[in-house]
Amino acid sequence: DADVTQTPRNRITKTGKRIMLECSQTKGHDRMYWYRQDPGLGLQLIYYSFDVKDINKGEISDGYSVSRQAQAKFSLSLESAIPNQTALYFCATSNGQSTDTQYFGPGTRLTVL
Amino acid sequence: AQKVTQAQTEISVVEKEDVTLDCVYETRDTTYYLFWYKQPPSGELVFLIRRNSFDEQNEISGRYSWNFQKSTSSFNFTITASQVVDSAVYFCALSEAYAGGTSYGKLTFGQGTILTVHP
Repeated sequence: DADVTQTPRNRITKTGKRIMLECSQTKGHDRMYWYRQDPGLGLQLIYYSFDVKDINKGEISDGYSVSRQAQAKFSLSLESAIPNQTALYFCATSNGQSTDTQYFGPGTRLTVL
Repeated sequence: AQKVTQAQTEISVVEKEDVTLDCVYETRDTTYYLFWYKQPPSGELVFLIRRNSFDEQNEISGRYSWNFQKSTSSFNFTITASQVVDSAVYFCALSEAYAGGTSYGKLTFGQGTILTVHP
């Protein structure tokens, strides 16, 4: 089984709808992240969490919210989806130690019509 | 603020050619980490290498090699004898760190280089 899983893998929704993307990990890592990828722009950090009680905004947090339900679960919500939030969304985890390396989930392709 | 630049948007080569992907970074920290990730057509992000700012030794892993030069703030990636399976988008990324070495955790990515290897 994959160490980092994301659900759903693909989602089409309409403008104004609320949508939640979920991420689970079995790596035992404390740190979890949400990124979005747009063509030609690399990946941009949306939110990150270093433990269950520590959540921080990234570069592009407007229009998004997150919830860290447990060490292994970190969900991303779009409160009222808009078309320019159409993108590929990645969850990542890392151990927060000197060997800190982020490992990514398979991604969720979100289309907002 | 930290920044990563991958000036090559797209590279096209013929199988068995060597290819170098460039990465230039900016940071004010003296302790930081550099990464390369591969994104094949299937879309997932695959970790390739992590290098800390205190280790300037070049690294070789099979057909892959990395050249880290602090003097020019570059961390270039070379694929020797390229293969069709190397076709992917390659990302360079930077993470700043505390003086003790613990990463801040946030990765800054370059825009990516699309590598196409033709048979």
